[in-house]
Amino acid sequence: AQSVTQPDIHITVSEGASLELRCNYSYGATPYLFWYVQSPGQGLQLLLKYFSGDTLVQGIKGFEAEFKRSQSSFNLRKPSVHWSDAAEYFCAVGARGFGNEKLTFGTGTRLTIIP
Amino acid sequence: EADIYQTPRYLVIGTGKKITLECSQTMGHDKMYWYQQDPGMELHLIHYSYGVNSTEKGDLSSESTVSRIRTEHFPLTLESARPSHTSQYLCASRDPLAGSNTGELFFGEGSRLTVL
Repeated sequence: AQSVTQPDIHITVSEGASLELRCNYSYGATPYLFWYVQSPGQGLQLLLKYFSGDTLVQGIKGFEAEFKRSQSSFNLRKPSVHWSDAAEYFCAVGARGFGNEKLTFGTGTRLTIIP
Repeated sequence: EADIYQTPRYLVIGTGKKITLECSQTMGHDKMYWYQQDPGMELHLIHYSYGVNSTEKGDLSSESTVSRIRTEHFPLTLESARPSHTSQYLCASRDPLAGSNTGELFFGEGSRLTVL
């Protein structure tokens, strides 16, 4: 069974600073990987996803993530955060193969932006 | 913008009441899901459906039930609510990609249930 660890429960960064949110996964093969963002009172919105190919994936809102197989990581990055990026961020892993419906989510990282 | 809607957004009810959380999507997606979300915890899959007349239980044992009579509608019901059911419930549907399970999940805004 797959699992996801987001080591940082809460991160605070200054507006304009760079950001990296950590995600480590456990899965026996190459997984499908996702980052979702959840603003207060809202559902989850997909930021980006990795299925195969280029290990550096670009997403919406200026986010990117890099799949590192050797480290079992899929860290999310943004070069310069904006106040509107304050939200909860969830990393998720999905198993390959038809019928594998389970998308396993991490516990989330809450991002606070200070002026 | 995803077209998946949940009602009610917020619900406070007393113990023992029957409640139904509604979820509708207008994207024609066959696969739909219910997740339970508690603060500081991962999202837990409690129910999913492959299509009309299909319902399956997820990882987390839940006393709720679901039905899928129409493609666009996937309601969740609690016959007798208890305080332990207090949580946020998120509905999602999956964008299909050539029959695989790799498609993106679209989420509704959630239904926050409080049982007193």
